[in-house]
Amino acid sequence: LAKTTQPISMDSYEGQEVNITCSHNNIATNDYITWYQQFPSQGPRFIIQGYKTKVTNEVASLFIPADRKSSTLSLPRVSLSDTAVYYCLVGGRNNDMRFGAGTRLTVKP
Amino acid sequence: DGGITQSPKYLFRKEGQNVTLSCEQNLNHDAMYWYRQDPGQGLRLIYYSQIVNDFQKGDIAEGYSVSREKKESFPLTVTSAQKNPTAFYLCASSIEGTSAIYNEQFFGPGTRLTVL
Repeated sequence: LAKTTQPISMDSYEGQEVNITCSHNNIATNDYITWYQQFPSQGPRFIIQGYKTKVTNEVASLFIPADRKSSTLSLPRVSLSDTAVYYCLVGGRNNDMRFGAGTRLTVKP
Repeated sequence: DGGITQSPKYLFRKEGQNVTLSCEQNLNHDAMYWYRQDPGQGLRLIYYSQIVNDFQKGDIAEGYSVSREKKESFPLTVTSAQKNPTAFYLCASSIEGTSAIYNEQFFGPGTRLTVL
């Protein structure tokens, strides 16, 4: 199973862009990189998934360098409602993917 | 209205009692999962099922049991053998779990179990 390392916490202010980096040095060829968001007392929610280069959707962007040993989740112009825990998962199948401790993002006014 | 339901939202039990947590999905998903989350921690996989009548242990299966008799249902029993059962329990499902291509997991609202 690929191990991931993320910062434990981050602070930001409303309107700023937030970048959360995840390290996954032992990522395998068939592994995808997936990010989830979790609010308190709720289940996680899928944000974005990628394999290489850049992926963008209406919520976030995911940047993956050529060696795929890290990835960066980018949240544009965050608001107070983006305060949550963000998890980086790496794996080829759901059964191989694990949720680490995540990054606790706090957005301040 | 498709989704995953877990009941009850809060559950209290006395130490030494078995308790069963319900998880139902109407998304027609093949795969279902149970996770445990402790305060300030990430999710840990307890059991998963890729198909009806089949399930596999996750990372922390000791003290738990599951069944998958129907596609839409995946109940979790927390037995008296589980040393520290007080936690937030999350159920999830995905289209399938065996494909080499990752499938998004959809989570239920969770059940907060407190053992007194």
